[in-house]
Amino acid sequence: DAGVIQSPRHEVTEMGQEVTLRCKPISGHDYLFWYRQTMMRGLELLIYFNNNVPIDDSGMPEDRFSAKMPNASFSTLKIQPSEPRDSAVYFCASGRRLDNEQFFGPGTRLTVL
Amino acid sequence: GENVEQHPSTLSVQEGDSAVIKCTYSDSASNYFPWYKQELGKGPQLIIDIRSNVGEKKDQRIAVTLNKTAKHFSLHITETQPEDSAVYFCAASGNTGGNEKLTFGTGTRLTIIP
Repeated sequence: DAGVIQSPRHEVTEMGQEVTLRCKPISGHDYLFWYRQTMMRGLELLIYFNNNVPIDDSGMPEDRFSAKMPNASFSTLKIQPSEPRDSAVYFCASGRRLDNEQFFGPGTRLTVL
Repeated sequence: GENVEQHPSTLSVQEGDSAVIKCTYSDSASNYFPWYKQELGKGPQLIIDIRSNVGEKKDQRIAVTLNKTAKHFSLHITETQPEDSAVYFCAASGNTGGNEKLTFGTGTRLTIIP
């Protein structure tokens, strides 16, 4: 298996623009997690899905952030409008119900100018 | 909610020596404690985990200990090698039968000095 796939790997955009991050989980995994990593706040869980249904979005910072999982093999995290403080590395991870391991993707480094 | 504290934030160890990283958690209901290793430019990767019904677990040079009474757990790396240099994260979860949310510590940057 190719592991969790994220795109793009790097994104540079200007303040106010819409940003869409994409994730393809490992086939057969029924949990999907979106994290944000910054030096100041560390690794934060933004939202997670089980069987494509959002279970906990309490970590989503504000209404500018939204996430969807239209099917078992694809999820998006959207920021609209983006702000400089959104600059971070965003990770997607997937896992199975029967165990606890979460497999992380390589991340998307987002820079908002 | 759960709060996980991790110490130290940085650690330098001579190659061949041992390294110990410690974490404490706040929620007594937490019962799953994984450790992740993150190399530069990559996502975190699980290296070892322990559940609350076990006090210690070992995998080659890596071991984890858990003290539920004191609510702390530790990662021990013996005979350190240069490839052990990375950032290590502890985490805690109140696993209720599924792959539930993890609360991560702030990370420890481990440097192995050749």
